[in-house]
Order: sequence, then structure tokens, then C-alpha cells
Amino acid sequence: AQSVTQLGSHVSVSEGALVLLRCNYSSSVPPYLFWYVQYPNQGLQLLLKYTTGATLVKGINGFEAEFKKSETSFHLTKPSAHMSDAAEYFCAVPRGGNKLVFGAGTILRVKS
Amino acid sequence: EAGVTQFPSHSVIEKGQTVTLRCDPISGHDNLYWYRRVMGKEIKFLLHFVKESKQDESGMPNNRFLAERTGGTYSTLKVQPAELEDSGVYFCASSQGSGGYETQYFGPGTRLLVL
Repeated sequence: AQSVTQLGSHVSVSEGALVLLRCNYSSSVPPYLFWYVQYPNQGLQLLLKYTTGATLVKGINGFEAEFKKSETSFHLTKPSAHMSDAAEYFCAVPRGGNKLVFGAGTILRVKS
Repeated sequence: EAGVTQFPSHSVIEKGQTVTLRCDPISGHDNLYWYRRVMGKEIKFLLHFVKESKQDESGMPNNRFLAERTGGTYSTLKVQPAELEDSGVYFCASSQGSGGYETQYFGPGTRLLVL
């Protein structure tokens, strides 16, 4: 059973525009949520994670995500897109121990 | 501090051949994971080592895949014999701790193409 769902396999925004990448999780998963990014020809890098406490999580490179239990969502946002943000983004949850279950990924394209 | 390293970065082999992938985790990390992404699919868990012991190998596709972590340091993943459907990117990750919320640090991956 899928534990996280990323809506939109491709998202295109203009430079300077708001970035919104969607992630919904199954209500049965533990309340730990991760966003990873993969830049071209590189490995996965942690952007941010939610464990406990504050529901608004700030990450690297100006990204943040808000854990909304009522909506079972953990959407990733950035107020102003930069060309260097072009990458593939993955939402993930730990399941059955430490193994991560990933969403299908969202490729972000930033137009100049 | 050095990150997770993987070797080789790319491998092209023919069906039926053997390939061995290597992963060096971050020094001191007890947990080591292997994941795979087949083209067009999601990143899937393969297995998890805690030190030299296999904690969870529920994601290993079949017995053509053999993973080892001798001495609890680096790990190898051998595919023998390789099939076309084994093509994909193999990622290794490492972490410290067991709470489920620890950050897993990923290597750059090995891109395997089986012809």
C-alpha cells in the first residue's frame, strides 16, 4: 500500500514564482516525514524533515513544509523559485523500522 | 567529513554477467541501506544492515542479489546473473540511531545498465 502520494509528476514555475510541491501521506504512517531533493547527476539530499513539535519545518535553500494532520499533507513550498531549484523532489516516510518509503517524485522545472 | 561514496558510478554489462556494487558509508554509521530506482518507477528499499547484520532484507527482489557488509564497514551488492530488469540506479544510504526519524545520508548512486 502506498504510504505517500505526490501529486504532479512535473511542476513548472517561472523564476521568482511560488513553488508548491504536494505530498499526502497515509494516516497509518508514523508522524515522521521527509523531503529529499535530487539535483541532476547527484544523489539524494535531505531538504527537511518533520519529527515532532512545530508543524512548520524550515529546511535548506529557503524551502519549508507544513505538517497538517487534518489534511494528511506535508506540502513543500518556497516563496520565490530560483533556476538552481530545478531538480526532482521526493517525499518519504519511514515504515516498518527505518526503511524509507518514497513517493513517485516531482520534477520541478524553473523557467527564466 | 566524507559523505557516502559509491563505486562504480556507472556500469554497463550484458545479460548474464555479474556486477558488484560497493558502498562506503559515513564513518561511524551503524545503519546502511540499499535502495533502487528502476526507470520510471519509485525509489524502492532493498535492504538494511545494522553493523554487519542484515536487519531487514524484505525488499531484495530475488536470490540473484547478494548483499554483504563484512566487518560492519563498507557493503557490497552483487547481482549474479544480471537480467535486463535489473537496470536502474542503486543508491546506498547510511544513518546513525534507530528511532525511525534519523536522517539517511545518500550516496550519488550507481547507474546500472544491463544489455
